[in-house]
Amino acid sequence: DVKVTQSSRYLVKRTGEKVFLECVQDMDHENMFWYRQDPGLGLRLIYFSYDVKMKEKGDIPEGYSVSREKKERFSLILESASTNQTSMYLCASRQTTVLSYEQYFGPGTRLTVT
Amino acid sequence: DQQVKQNSPSLSVQEGRISILNCDYTNSMFDYFLWYKKYPAEGPTFLISISSIKDKNEDGRFTVFLNKSAKHLSLHIVPSQPGDSAVYFCAASRDNYGQNFVFGPGTRLSVLP
Repeated sequence: DVKVTQSSRYLVKRTGEKVFLECVQDMDHENMFWYRQDPGLGLRLIYFSYDVKMKEKGDIPEGYSVSREKKERFSLILESASTNQTSMYLCASRQTTVLSYEQYFGPGTRLTVT
Repeated sequence: DQQVKQNSPSLSVQEGRISILNCDYTNSMFDYFLWYKKYPAEGPTFLISISSIKDKNEDGRFTVFLNKSAKHLSLHIVPSQPGDSAVYFCAASRDNYGQNFVFGPGTRLSVLP
């Protein structure tokens, strides 16, 4: 079974803090993704990575950066947290194959910025 | 501007009946679609997918229909079970590599016993 784990289920941070969200997958997947989920908006893509040290911006990259130093790990960084970044953050991974576009998701991190 | 729309935020269905969840998209270049199911406090899990070269795909109780001319797809669950109660997301691939997806806002399905 594919397992995607996220470092925290719940996180509370103060405005202006630097926040690190970690994601690890154990299936040697090439592609990894960060989304945020907000009510009425569904999942919105922040960044994705198709290989180590490679990254692409998604729909809402402003205020975020990412790091992928190892294949299994994809980190989302909030350089200076703001209250509008309070959200559920979901990490996903996927193997590069034309047979399936299925992504495997972690359980999510609910981040509250006060 | 939402490229993938799920116009029903919620749906209630009696156990044993059919559930029909709808999804509309705006870009005719989207060529692969997926449905995910999400329970509270868990990440979404993949349910079923369909390529634009098909108009139907079945997997057990779940069937997805695609109408390309209307840019519409629907997920049918027959028969519905209480364990199907969850939020369902429709997603479309924006590239040919499965690296860039856009999701709809979700529909909360409640299956009543």
